[in-house]
Amino acid sequence: DIQMTQSPSSLSASVGDRVTITCRASQGISNFLAWYQQKPGKVPELLIYAASTLQSGVPSRFSGSGSGPDFTLTISSLQPEDVATYYCQKYNSAPWTFGQGTKVEIK
Amino acid sequence: QVQLQESGPGLVKPSETLSLTCTVSGGSITNYYWSWIRQPPGKGLEWIGYIYYSGSTNYNPSLKSRVTISVDTSKNQFSLKLSSVTAADTAVYFCAKGPRDVTGRVSPFDYWGQGTLVTVSS
Repeated sequence: DIQMTQSPSSLSASVGDRVTITCRASQGISNFLAWYQQKPGKVPELLIYAASTLQSGVPSRFSGSGSGPDFTLTISSLQPEDVATYYCQKYNSAPWTFGQGTKVEIK
Repeated sequence: QVQLQESGPGLVKPSETLSLTCTVSGGSITNYYWSWIRQPPGKGLEWIGYIYYSGSTNYNPSLKSRVTISVDTSKNQFSLKLSSVTAADTAVYFCAKGPRDVTGRVSPFDYWGQGTLVTVSS
């Protein structure tokens, strides 16, 4: 099975900072990569799909890039409401696997 | 807009079968594929399996021997059964739309239920 490895596992940054999270696929997945945001105690929400396409309603400070094996989620200017755990997920084929998550906090 | 709602017991005894139902509203269950995903407390997300309205299923190999997902199109519902549960199955269980669209093309999970916590304990 394809493994998805995220780094870092957690980070702390100041409001307004640029934040980057990386996700590496152990095998090729083309651009079938999604990013989700899960705020504390809440349901995961789709942020980005097809590696770089922003889901409707998601703020433009979020962006995704990469085409395998490395993918990146960037928050251009971190806001207090971005405190959450972020997960990458491959969806090219079964099993549909998530990364282990990156917890983002405000410094 | 599609909405999903999980329902079922919040407490299951070890060795018994966990049973949950997801009710879909705002759209027909025949239009998409539907999944169960779980999240142990403080941990990450694990896809359990999916079903199509035709009854076609696909399960995570790590759980395949214990999982059954079924669908009731007349009620716009799909269900999860997980047998021989242990404490390791304690988790929030989510139902979600995906991972394929009506054409069979792969897609991310774009709609999720609120999740329901199931605790395995005697």
